[in-house]
Amino acid sequence: AQRVTQPEKLLSVFKGAPVELKCNYSYSGSPELFWYVQYSRQRLQLLLRHISRESIKGFTADLNKGETSFHLKKPFAQEEDSAMYYCALRGAKDGNEKLTFGTGTRLTIIP
Amino acid sequence: GAGVSQSPSNKVTEKGKDVELRCDPISGHTALYWYRQSLGQGLEFLIYFQGNSAPDKSGLPSDRFSAERTGGSVSTLTIQRTQQEDSAVYLCASSLEALQPQHFGDGTRLSIL
Repeated sequence: AQRVTQPEKLLSVFKGAPVELKCNYSYSGSPELFWYVQYSRQRLQLLLRHISRESIKGFTADLNKGETSFHLKKPFAQEEDSAMYYCALRGAKDGNEKLTFGTGTRLTIIP
Repeated sequence: GAGVSQSPSNKVTEKGKDVELRCDPISGHTALYWYRQSLGQGLEFLIYFQGNSAPDKSGLPSDRFSAERTGGSVSTLTIQRTQQEDSAVYLCASSLEALQPQHFGDGTRLSIL
């Protein structure tokens, strides 16, 4: 079974401060991990995926297989980062294309 | 269209009624997914279509739920004899192919009275 845990429902950070959104997963094979973001009144959209190893809007996330984590980080928060963030996993072991999502973290950037 | 389109955007119905939710995927996308988001929960996978292959129905919560995809494009999710616990936002996503990034629609907010 695959499972994604986002321990923080709410996170408030001051503008300019570092941000870290936590994500832990459970999966017996090699997972593919994603972060999705939903801004106010917008649809859910892909922020980044671990295989791309890219930085999007200043965010990065590193897959740590030892700790089974995929935390999302940004060194300096901006007001436009306020949104709902979802961590998601796709198990590649059995060719299963469905995504398993965490319950999400609502990030609020305090001006 | 430019993105995944879902209709209606909101649906309120009485317990026991049947409902149909529609999803128009991005043109040319072969894979289509339905998810459900209940209050305070993450997105829950319901069903997945890929080309002409048999759909993966492993996420459907009961036999009251069914979905079809006609002509490899538009999909309809049907919920029969709705219950209050069916109240949720139903999201559709499509991807160019399996294992490609999924693009989501705005969802249908279903409220069962």
